[in-house]
Amino acid sequence: NAGVMQNPRHLVRRRGQEARLRCSPMKGHSHVYWYRQLPEEGLKFMVYLQKENIIDESGMPKERFSAEFPKEGPSILRIQQVVRGDSAAYFCASSPDRVTNSPLHFGNGTRLTVT
Amino acid sequence: DAKTTQPTSMDCAEGRAANLPCNHSTISGNEYVYWYRQIHSQGPQYIIHGLKNNETNEMASLIITEDRKSSTLILPHATLRDTAVYYCIVRVAGGTSYGKLTFGQGTILTVHP
Repeated sequence: NAGVMQNPRHLVRRRGQEARLRCSPMKGHSHVYWYRQLPEEGLKFMVYLQKENIIDESGMPKERFSAEFPKEGPSILRIQQVVRGDSAAYFCASSPDRVTNSPLHFGNGTRLTVT
Repeated sequence: DAKTTQPTSMDCAEGRAANLPCNHSTISGNEYVYWYRQIHSQGPQYIIHGLKNNETNEMASLIITEDRKSSTLILPHATLRDTAVYYCIVRVAGGTSYGKLTFGQGTILTVHP
């Protein structure tokens, strides 16, 4: 049973470019969560999505960041016009539902470097 | 979610039990205690969780005090590969904040030969 798959593992972008990070949840999981870990800091919640719906985006920066989880295909975290401060590790997690106490399972992240 | 307090760092000899404490004195009745760990450069790995009863799985045991204000994660036979940052997280089951785990600074566990 494959775990949460994230790609690419490493992404380098110049300032002003766009970054697209992809996340495929575990098989049978319909809920996806994105977290960000800045250098030397803890993980911070960004957004929680279900298929075609954003459930909670309270941790998303107000500008340049967006996320989607379409009916078909992976979840995408999109960062427009990247700046150096966006350099971080971005982790995706998934769970089968939100009603029970199912734990979140995390991928190994995408490390974004903005030059 | 309730705030948790963990020691900043701990050491353990290989082959011995590692006992990682966590204080969550403001935990609510519907909040679970979860443990994750993060090995350098990897994503957080789920270890175990519980509500009020002690739990055991193939990785670890979780001991929750009767008043639920603290818990201890036990790795029965620590190996060098258990060196990681261990996070104790309190989380409510269900609701829109279900996925919003609050990661503190955690405990850096170093297992030495």
